[in-house]
Amino acid sequence: DAKTTQPPSMDCAEGRAANLPCNHSTISGNEYVYWYRQIHSQGPQYIIHGLKNNETNEMASLIITEDRKSSTLILPHATLRDTAVYYCIVRVADSGTYKYIFGTGTRLKVLA
Amino acid sequence: EPEVTQTPSHQVTQMGQEVILRCVPISNHLYFYWYRQILGQKVEFLVSFYNNEISEKSEIFDDQFSVERPDGSNFTLKIRSTKLEDSAMYFCASSDWRQGETQYFGPGTRLLVL
Repeated sequence: DAKTTQPPSMDCAEGRAANLPCNHSTISGNEYVYWYRQIHSQGPQYIIHGLKNNETNEMASLIITEDRKSSTLILPHATLRDTAVYYCIVRVADSGTYKYIFGTGTRLKVLA
Repeated sequence: EPEVTQTPSHQVTQMGQEVILRCVPISNHLYFYWYRQILGQKVEFLVSFYNNEISEKSEIFDDQFSVERPDGSNFTLKIRSTKLEDSAMYFCASSDWRQGETQYFGPGTRLLVL
């Protein structure tokens, strides 16, 4: 089972910041938080990841709480093309490999 | 920017037939993965592959499935005798030589078994 919980859906006005929350209360100390998105049935697209520090790249910012039990993905100026399902994934390290266990994600709809 | 490619984009087959789905991972990557997504459901891990052998496989990856890296660039998923329930999107992913690094996904192959 996925180690994360996310709200099933959110709306955001175009041009506004989209803040997508994720709970991962059972995360272990060496497990990373990854964010991907999936537009229609395309392949999941990597957005950002982090361990304990906040991270920012050209797509988004990732805010991880100090206790690491939750995080928030921020899309600073959402556009219609950001409409997608967003997945928060705790990367599991078992048997030396790093499979992803996807949850059901948050369906973000950006409204014009 | 390098990307993972997959062929074909769509495949229709009859139940019981063999299918081979092909992937070309990013060129300097050494870890390879297959995932699938049945319509309307979650993305599910199938198998991971490193150094020419399976590292880990899920319960879904039974004896009907196999993976191979036949040359230096391709990574294939074979389903020996397809079932109706194998209809899904199949995604290939790869990550680089540093174990545990970010996985990059291909666009997927939509498989329909009739």
